[in-house]
Amino acid sequence: DAKTTQPNSMESNEEEPVHLPCNHSTISGTDYIHWYRQLPSQGPEYVIHGLTSNVNNRMASLAIAEDRKSSTLILHRATLRDAAVYYCILDSGGYQKVTFGTGTKLQVIP
Amino acid sequence: DTAVSQTPKYLVTQMGNDKSIKCEQNLGHDTMYWYKQDSKKFLKIMFSYNNKELIINETVPNRFSPKSPDKAHLNLHINSLELGDSAVYFCASSQEGSNSYNEQFFGPGTRLTVL
Repeated sequence: DAKTTQPNSMESNEEEPVHLPCNHSTISGTDYIHWYRQLPSQGPEYVIHGLTSNVNNRMASLAIAEDRKSSTLILHRATLRDAAVYYCILDSGGYQKVTFGTGTKLQVIP
Repeated sequence: DTAVSQTPKYLVTQMGNDKSIKCEQNLGHDTMYWYKQDSKKFLKIMFSYNNKELIINETVPNRFSPKSPDKAHLNLHINSLELGDSAVYFCASSQEGSNSYNEQFFGPGTRLTVL
């Protein structure tokens, strides 16, 4: 499986933007970049995904480097409800397994 | 109208017992998964079923046996429970296909504690 590397933890002030980085230097051409988050005592939930172009949805934005070896999840205004573990994972689709790393634990400071 | 549901939410049992965790999804998905999240919060896939057929079976002890009676259900039976089986088990589902976008929907988890 292609591997991802994320910082163990990050902090952000409430109402400020947050940039969560992810390195995936061994990404293959067919790998989609997915982001999930896990709120305390809950199952993971989908946040956003992309292949080559930057993506926006109601939850976040995903900025993908031109060489696709890294990406950044952007939360435009962090709220206390965004405190969670954020996982960056690669998925080549079909019946391939998806591997979750240790993720980045985001703390939001009021 | 929960999309992916699991029962029970909590399960406390003695070593050596046999227990089952049930999972149901009402999303019409054809692929379901079981994940284990240990005390260090590392989330690891255990099994994946597509249309009731096993397609992923990671290195999991034979004591763990998934059963998929139909596309909407994937139950996990564990024999001879051990202390190391204590973890949170998550069920998930997705709609696999020829495209490469397979968003997984996760259940709320079942916290298993083996004493």
